Amino acid sequence: GAGVSQSPSNKVTEKGKDVELRCDPISGHTALYWYRQSLGQGLEFLIYFQGNSAPDKSGLPSDRFSAERTGGSVSTLTIQRTQQEDSAVYLCASSADSSGNTIYFGEGSWLTVV
Amino acid sequence: SQQGEEDPQALSIQEGENATMNCSYKTSINNLQWYRQNSGRGLVHLILIRSNEREKHSGRLRVTLDTSKKSSSLLITASRAADTASYFCATDEKGAQKLVFGQGTRLTINP
Repeated sequence: GAGVSQSPSNKVTEKGKDVELRCDPISGHTALYWYRQSLGQGLEFLIYFQGNSAPDKSGLPSDRFSAERTGGSVSTLTIQRTQQEDSAVYLCASSADSSGNTIYFGEGSWLTVV
Repeated sequence: SQQGEEDPQALSIQEGENATMNCSYKTSINNLQWYRQNSGRGLVHLILIRSNEREKHSGRLRVTLDTSKKSSSLLITASRAADTASYFCATDEKGAQKLVFGQGTRLTINP
């Protein structure tokens, strides 16, 4: 597609339920990022995929969070047993390569845990 | 903790004035980028400056980089109401490919 596409745009879930957030990067982009942004705050790095290399998972806040990227394209961020503090916008971004390239963001998935 | 820290956290100026935002970081970097965010959704890339560059211009934007002080500034000249947004700096550390963002500066341009 022309840009980074994320779904769902908005998700309300009950505490304790699992959620899956999807990211479809720009075609041909080898690098893919997930960030989390709480209201009025900065972007918190979660995970980074680059080609076939092992992902950098250093930002995942707990073992309830996981992400995968199938076939080097679409990525899914899964949050198990959601908690209220997981409420945030989850932003996905992709770039053509690693260091030195502009990254392009999707519009984000707003998650509300009630 | 975040690599980049913006200063000030919030800035409010009159339309037509210049706006200056600063970013400090902690480690050696390959490059530094500035992004803009409207309404808490996706970020838009503004400008990238490499570690061997000291100043870069793009339209009404001017970015400086001082690697000895580990700091950068973003200047928006002749501000417009449409410039109202949050501005973030982002760095990629040498040896680490992920892009790390600061907390952002919330800029408000008053008509």
